This record gives sequence, C-alpha cells and structure tokens, in this order.
Amino acid sequence: EIVLTQSPGTLSLSPGERATLSCRTSESVSSSYLAWYQQKPGQAPRLLIYGASTRATGIPERFRGSGSGTDFALTISRLEPEDFAVYYCQRYGRSLVFGGGTKVEIK
Amino acid sequence: QVQVVQSGAELKKPGSSVKVSCKATGDTFSNSAFSWVRQAPGQGLEWMGGFIAIFGSPRYAQNFQDRVTITADESTGTVYMELSSLRSEDTAIYFCARASGFSSSWYPLDSWGQGTLVTVSS
Repeated sequence: EIVLTQSPGTLSLSPGERATLSCRTSESVSSSYLAWYQQKPGQAPRLLIYGASTRATGIPERFRGSGSGTDFALTISRLEPEDFAVYYCQRYGRSLVFGGGTKVEIK
Repeated sequence: QVQVVQSGAELKKPGSSVKVSCKATGDTFSNSAFSWVRQAPGQGLEWMGGFIAIFGSPRYAQNFQDRVTITADESTGTVYMELSSLRSEDTAIYFCARASGFSSSWYPLDSWGQGTLVTVSS
C-alpha cells in the first residue's frame, strides 16, 4: 500500500514566518487526490486542502497547497498564532491513507 | 451545515467489544460516505474503514479487517463501528468523519465528529 512520508517531523517557527511542509508518497497520486488537514490539541482534524491545491470552504488564503505526482507541499505564508498545530497529508481515492504528521510549534 | 455527532466515551475490558455510533445531520445520508479514523494517544491518524451509503456496504483497511465491523441504519442515518477482541493498544480516540459519497471512491473528510475515547483496561 502507498506510504506517505511527511517532513520535517517538527517545525519550530515564530508568528509571521513562512512554513513549508512536505509530503512525499511512495507511488504517484492519481488526479492529485491529495488532501491536507490541521489538528489542534483536543480537537478533531479539519480539512484544509483537497485536490492538492484547492482550499476547503472557509480556509484562509495564507494556506496554499501545491505539488503533483509524488511530491506535495503545504505552505502557510505568514503564521498566525492559531496556525500552530499538527498537519497531516492524506491520499484519497481507492482508500484513505494518512501521513505521519508535521507539528508546527512556536519557536 | 453538516454536523457529525458520536456516542460517548467507553471503558472496556480486554477481550471484549465496543460499538461506537455516529450520526450526521444537515445532509442526505444517501449522498454520504462515513469513515472511521483512529488516533492512539500522542499518535497520528489511521483510517480503519468506512461505509459509502449508495453502495450499502463497508470497506475495511487491511490493518483492521479482522476485528472491525462497520454497519449502518439508513432509517435513522446512523453508522456504527464495532471493534472486537479489544486489547490495551486499542485505547484511542475514534473519530467518525463524513465525506461526499457519489461513487466508489473515497473523498476528503469534510465534517468530523467530536471523537469517542475508548479506554481498554482491566
């Protein structure tokens, strides 16, 4: 089965900085069936991005998804205090598979 | 707006089973696919399987297919996940999440329940 590898495991940044999160897949993801979720402590995940680059309803423009094939990225242009959380990528389609997550923490 | 509501926390003994329910309001059950996602303490997200309403049959992830049963009651719009032969490693939060269910493909999970904590302890 496909494996999604997220890096780095932890990203230590300050508010206002740019965050770039990586998600690499062990096989090509067809039709860019790649999504990103944000999870804050004690909360359920929230869908941010689907189709590799389409923002879900209500998601701010500072969140941008990119990539295709086996290399994908989530960029947060300027970190707001509420953006410090864990982020997961997910391949959908034939089944649902999650990456291991990247924690974005305050430096 | 779709809301997903799950049943409450459970405390179970090793070897027993647990059944968690999930109901979505604000959308048509027949247009939906429901997934169950497990999150062990301090760990990531793991898809257990799900139920696409228009097909009326469940699909299971390989890691769970021997112990999980997902069913649905269309009359009430409720989906159930039963996990059997519980062991301490099954202690986790179990999330139910809804996605569009128009085909046999699994789509992104756009509405999540609050999660159900299942604790397995003797």
